[in-house]
Amino acid sequence: EVQLLESGGGLVQPGGSLRLSCAASRFTFSTYAMSWVRQAPGTGLEWVSMINGGGETTYYADSVRGRFTISRDNSKDTLYLQMNSLRAEDTAVYYCARVKRGGDCLDFWGQGTLVTVSS
Amino acid sequence: IVMTQSPATLSVSPGERATLSCRASQSVSNYLAWYQQKSGQAPRLLIYGASTRATGIPARFGGSGSGTEFTLTISSLQSEDFAVYYCQQYITWPYTFGQGTKLEIK
Repeated sequence: EVQLLESGGGLVQPGGSLRLSCAASRFTFSTYAMSWVRQAPGTGLEWVSMINGGGETTYYADSVRGRFTISRDNSKDTLYLQMNSLRAEDTAVYYCARVKRGGDCLDFWGQGTLVTVSS
Repeated sequence: IVMTQSPATLSVSPGERATLSCRASQSVSNYLAWYQQKSGQAPRLLIYGASTRATGIPARFGGSGSGTEFTLTISSLQSEDFAVYYCQQYITWPYTFGQGTKLEIK
């Protein structure tokens, strides 16, 4: 079955940076769009960013545009999220998820990685 | 597009039927998905295209609706169905989720 394994979360100070990675396996990574979705403690889901299979087209939520950058390395089957100028409100579990073909819903999710922004 | 789910919490007994609602602030046609999230786990896709079950999802889960009004029905609730359920629209970026309905044991 599809596997998505996030890494790179941790504690960072406000204004700091962090890069998340998501290692994908058991599917043809380059042929799927991929996304990052986050969930602040005790709250709902927010779709943060999405990238197409080739990496040429990206989308961002208004809350992160200009601070976060999504990218992918199809030679390594890995998705990234570079997060700069982090704020307390960016504290959340960040999930990597595969975008279903034929419709932009999310058919497989990783287990998530926790990012905590605090001094 | 704002997605609004109701009720926030639904208490139902095992074996009974649960009906969860999702309303969109403007038409999303049938570009609507439902997810289930159990405590401490990642969400799982249940329904896409408003009414199509995802791979491996039991037939007791059913989705209906189009435009702005949608329903997720779970017939004959099993113990493993008690969780939080989210709807999500994917007609217009930014794609948005509802705030969730917590389905709890009565």
